[in-house]
Amino acid sequence: QKEVEQDPGPLSVPEGAIVSLNCTYSNSAFQYFMWYRQYSRKGPELLMYTYSSGNKEDGRFTAQVDKSSKYISLFIRDSQPSDSATYLCAMSGDDMRFGAGTRLTVKP
Amino acid sequence: DGGITQSPKYLFRKEGQNVTLSCEQNLNHDAMYWYRQDPGQGLRLIYYSQIVNDFQKGDIAEGYSVSREKKESFPLTVTSAQKNPTAFYLCASSMGEAGGPRDTQYFGPGTRLTVL
Repeated sequence: QKEVEQDPGPLSVPEGAIVSLNCTYSNSAFQYFMWYRQYSRKGPELLMYTYSSGNKEDGRFTAQVDKSSKYISLFIRDSQPSDSATYLCAMSGDDMRFGAGTRLTVKP
Repeated sequence: DGGITQSPKYLFRKEGQNVTLSCEQNLNHDAMYWYRQDPGQGLRLIYYSQIVNDFQKGDIAEGYSVSREKKESFPLTVTSAQKNPTAFYLCASSMGEAGGPRDTQYFGPGTRLTVL
C-alpha cells in the first residue's frame, strides 16, 4: 500500500462546477498537508497549506483535513478553464510524500 | 525576483552519456531536493540536501549523483548507470528539514530529459 493514495483521474467538469479532489494516507506522523497545482510541462506551484485537521479557505479554494480518517480534500468552487491542471497532494511529517496527482479539465 | 531556476528546459542524451542538470535558488533556503516525475507515479525523491556539503539518498538514488558546494546550487548528474533516465526532473527547495512548516517545498520549472 502506498503511503499516499490519490485518484489519477482524469476528471472533466463543465465551467462553474464544484470540484472535489481527494487523497488518503496511511502514515499517522503526517501533520502538514499541502496542495500543489501543476500545469502541463511546468513545475508544481504551492496552492494551499494546512496544519492538522480543519478547513482553510482561499478564494475559490478550500482545503479540508480529517486526520481521524486520514483523508484530505481540495474543493474548487466556480471552476474555470484556467483551473485545468494536475493537482498534487503532499504531506509532511517525518518526511514528505506526494500523491500521484489528479488531472483536471474544466470545459468552457 | 526570488525563485528556483533549472536549466536546460529540454535535454537530449545518447545512451552511455552522463548529463548534468542545473538547479539554482535565490530564496536563501537551506534544503534542496531533486525529484523525478513519471506519468502515473507522482514525484519520487532522488536526493536531498539539508546543508552545504551534505546530501542524502532518496528513494531512487541509483544511477544519479549530486553535489552541494554552494547553498544556492544543487546540480544533479544522471549517469550512464541509470537504466531508464527519460523523465521530467524537478528541483525544489525549502527553508528547513523534513517535518514542519519550514518543509514547504517550492519547485523549479523542471527539465525534461530524453535519452535517444
